[in-house]
Amino acid sequence: QQNVQQSPESLIVPEGARTSLNCTFSDSASQYFWWYRQHSGKAPKALMSIFSNGEKEEGRFTIHLNKASLHFSLHIRDSQPSDSALYLCAVRGGSGNKLIFGTGTLLSVKP
Amino acid sequence: NSKVIQTPRYLVKGQGQKAKMRCIPEKGHPVVFWYQQNKNNEFKFLINFQNQEVLQQIDMTEKRFSAECPSNSPCSLEIQSSEAGDSALYLCASSLTGNERLFFGHGTKLSVL
Repeated sequence: QQNVQQSPESLIVPEGARTSLNCTFSDSASQYFWWYRQHSGKAPKALMSIFSNGEKEEGRFTIHLNKASLHFSLHIRDSQPSDSALYLCAVRGGSGNKLIFGTGTLLSVKP
Repeated sequence: NSKVIQTPRYLVKGQGQKAKMRCIPEKGHPVVFWYQQNKNNEFKFLINFQNQEVLQQIDMTEKRFSAECPSNSPCSLEIQSSEAGDSALYLCASSLTGNERLFFGHGTKLSVL
C-alpha cells in the first residue's frame, strides 16, 4: 500500500523567498509524480509533473525527483503572496492507476 | 473555471440518511476519480472509473458507498447511511488517461449532523 508523506505540514515565508516542499513515497515501482495546488475554497489544480529522475523547471517552479531515495520536491523561486495555498504531492504506483495524494503542505507567503 | 461540474455544492444530512452527489466530467475524459478530503486536508481515494467500468475502489467504498458512471448521464457517488465521520469535501476529477493530470471539480461539501 503506497504511503505518501509531505513535509513540512505548514510553512510561512516572506515574499521573494525560495520555498522548498518535500514528498516521500514508499512504492519503489511508482512511475508518475505530480504536484497540485489548492487555493482556499477552490478546486485542486495540477502544477507540474515529472516522470524520470532529475529536474524539471517551469517558470518559478522546479521539481526534483530521486526514485532511489523515494523522494521528490517542489521548489518555488521568488515566492509571491498568490502562491499561498495547500500544496499536494501525488504519486501513481506501479500497480493500478489510482493517484495517491500526500498529506499536504500549507504555504503562506507574507508580503 | 473548473470544467468538471459537481452538484450540489453543499449537502446536509442527518445520520442514517442517504447522501447523493453528482459529477459531470470534462468533455471527452473517460477516466473519473472520486476523492474524500477531510477537515485535515487529507485526500482519500474512493473509486475510479474508465467509461462505465470500475477500475479500483477501496474497501470503504464497497460497504456503504456506491458509485456509478452511466453513459450519457452524470457520474454519481451515494452514501447509503451517512455517518458523522463522512462529513468531508467530496471531490470528483476527470482525466484523458489514467496517467494524465486530473481536472478537479469544486467538490460537494457534505455535513452529517
